[in-house]
Amino acid sequence: AQSVTQLDSQVPVFEEAPVELRCNYSSSVSVYLFWYVQYPNQGLQLLLKYLSGSTLVKGINGFEAEFNKSQTSFHLRKPSVHISDTAEYFCAVSDQGNTGRRALTFGSGTRLQVQP
Amino acid sequence: ETGVTQTPRHLVMGMTNKKSLKCEQHLGHNAMYWYKQSAKKPLELMFVYNFKEQTENNSVPSRFSPECPNSSHLFLHLHTLQPEDSALYLCASSRRIVESGRNIQYFGAGTRLSVL
Repeated sequence: AQSVTQLDSQVPVFEEAPVELRCNYSSSVSVYLFWYVQYPNQGLQLLLKYLSGSTLVKGINGFEAEFNKSQTSFHLRKPSVHISDTAEYFCAVSDQGNTGRRALTFGSGTRLQVQP
Repeated sequence: ETGVTQTPRHLVMGMTNKKSLKCEQHLGHNAMYWYKQSAKKPLELMFVYNFKEQTENNSVPSRFSPECPNSSHLFLHLHTLQPEDSALYLCASSRRIVESGRNIQYFGAGTRLSVL
């Protein structure tokens, strides 16, 4: 079974400050990792993904994340946030192996609140 | 615009009503998913369809009945719901269910359901 833990339910930050949203996972098999963003009254939009290769992945809107296998983490970072980054951010994992489970397991989300 | 359209966007229903949620994708995908998003809880996978066949039912109560007439359309039929079923219901699609987990899921904006 898989699980995803997002340690912070809310992260307030001032505009132009850096931010890190934390994500840890547990799984008995190798996983693919994703970050999704949900703006108010909208569905989820893929921010970035780690499938293989370089452990540092870059996504849209200036976000990046680093896969750390030893710490089972996939933290999301942005060096300078904007007001428009205010949203809910979800970390998710899916199995690499042929386990029969084809959908995503999500964390509970982190609300990023960017203040002027 | 993600290519996944959900209607209606908002729905209010009584516990004795019967209603249906609709999802349509214009991405040429063959896998479709229903998720439930409740306040302060992780997204919960409900159903998975691959090439119109249901491949996963995540112990969802029978008052939720999915239907997938073709790879582009997915319905969720609702009857005799409970107030605790009030939530945002999200539909997603992906190319197909092979290479477990690798295919990106694209989400609709969701249907906000309130059960009175």
